[in-house]
Amino acid sequence: DTEVTQTPKHLVMGMTNKKSLKCEQHMGHRAMYWYKQKAKKPPELMFVYSYEKLSINESVPSRFSPECPNSSLLNLHLHALQPEDSALYLCASSQVLGQGTFTPQHFGDGTRLSIL
Amino acid sequence: AQSVTQLDSQVPVFEEAPVELRCNYSSSVSVYLFWYVQYPNQGLQLLLKYLSGSTLVKGINGFEAEFNKSQTSFHLRKPSVHISDTAEYFCAVSGSNQGGKLIFGQGTELSVKP
Repeated sequence: DTEVTQTPKHLVMGMTNKKSLKCEQHMGHRAMYWYKQKAKKPPELMFVYSYEKLSINESVPSRFSPECPNSSLLNLHLHALQPEDSALYLCASSQVLGQGTFTPQHFGDGTRLSIL
Repeated sequence: AQSVTQLDSQVPVFEEAPVELRCNYSSSVSVYLFWYVQYPNQGLQLLLKYLSGSTLVKGINGFEAEFNKSQTSFHLRKPSVHISDTAEYFCAVSGSNQGGKLIFGQGTELSVKP
């Protein structure tokens, strides 16, 4: 059983749609992450939130908009996506230990996104 | 800058044989090293980690890895594999003051055959 829950598991959307991906963890972690993973490739970091504040944005296009409403929830809002955005989107969380260190990341099972 | 190289993209092996998946890293600062496994249609699961201390690290499912600072390696080993070990394996590195960023290798597909 994964401790990081992502919904939905699958999402098919058109290029003009607006949708959101959701991620939830109840481990008390204060850092949360979004990754994009294409088939047969490693995950690519998109965003990092630390204490509900965006701390890293890896130059992600503005059609992806992250949101961290509280310490347990992380959303990724999607708008006007392109076919090349079809991928597995993974959420992860870790604890912040201080002095710039973090515990190992726990991953959810991802949302498989298909853009028509 | 940090980087990770997984030297084999695919490793086929017979059931009950030993296996080694190779990982080399480069970093100008102290590193933390990880191996993750990804089964089909799932997320990544932490197999083991090296943060400090003993260079031989034991993980879940009978896997272990050895941190070798002089060779900048962190190879993953298992003495006897099972069909259920078939999966993609990722080596990753992070460092202090990196904002929690993980740098992944390209992955090694382990295929265990009966």
